[in-house]
Amino acid sequence: DTAVSQTPKYLVTQMGNDKSIKCEQNLGHDTMYWYKQDSKKFLKIMFSYNNKELIINETVPNRFSPKSPDKAHLNLHINSLELGDSAVYFCASSPLGTGKETQYFGPGTRLLVL
Amino acid sequence: GQQLNQSPQSMFIQEGEDVSMNCTSSSIFNTWLWYKQEPGEGPVLLIALYKAGELTSNGRLTAQFGITRKDSFLNISASIPSDVGIYFCAGIQGAQKLVFGQGTRLTINP
Repeated sequence: DTAVSQTPKYLVTQMGNDKSIKCEQNLGHDTMYWYKQDSKKFLKIMFSYNNKELIINETVPNRFSPKSPDKAHLNLHINSLELGDSAVYFCASSPLGTGKETQYFGPGTRLLVL
Repeated sequence: GQQLNQSPQSMFIQEGEDVSMNCTSSSIFNTWLWYKQEPGEGPVLLIALYKAGELTSNGRLTAQFGITRKDSFLNISASIPSDVGIYFCAGIQGAQKLVFGQGTRLTINP
């Protein structure tokens, strides 16, 4: 009965590799997001999608490419991984049009680039 | 980019004490949210505030949306060991963009 799920939970990889993180929500929400949490625990939005359309794209390197095959899924593909990409990546989702916006987060994917 | 100033950055308290933390911003937000993050987990929503001046409680937690719409506070009464974690304020601006504070790390001595 998980609301927002992400896979994998841990990802250790070499610099230069390409990797993907998957996110799924079963809340019926219209909007999904990717956030990055750095080593100081600061959370910053990267992307948001509404019904498979890109809404927010914060100054993220174009090595990061989100893909939303349907409104319940938002995946994050990262090309040519760099050491600085090491962080925890959180997926989130929210309903729209309720007048009471809020966001629900997944458990995170801990990425370590060696 | 836009940030929320959250304070204090960390708190060390005795079990049973009350806790207070706040967030301020130079910009107006339409919604304020308070989250708690425990080690190895994602942020979990505690309280959502939608109207200026709104005061909302969730058990021992109470949060208020400032009248100016530029600040919010969170109080925890009678702290218990499971309150340990990092508390984040977050404000929503247009297009559902969530902006986070730096977090308040709460440590409780039994």
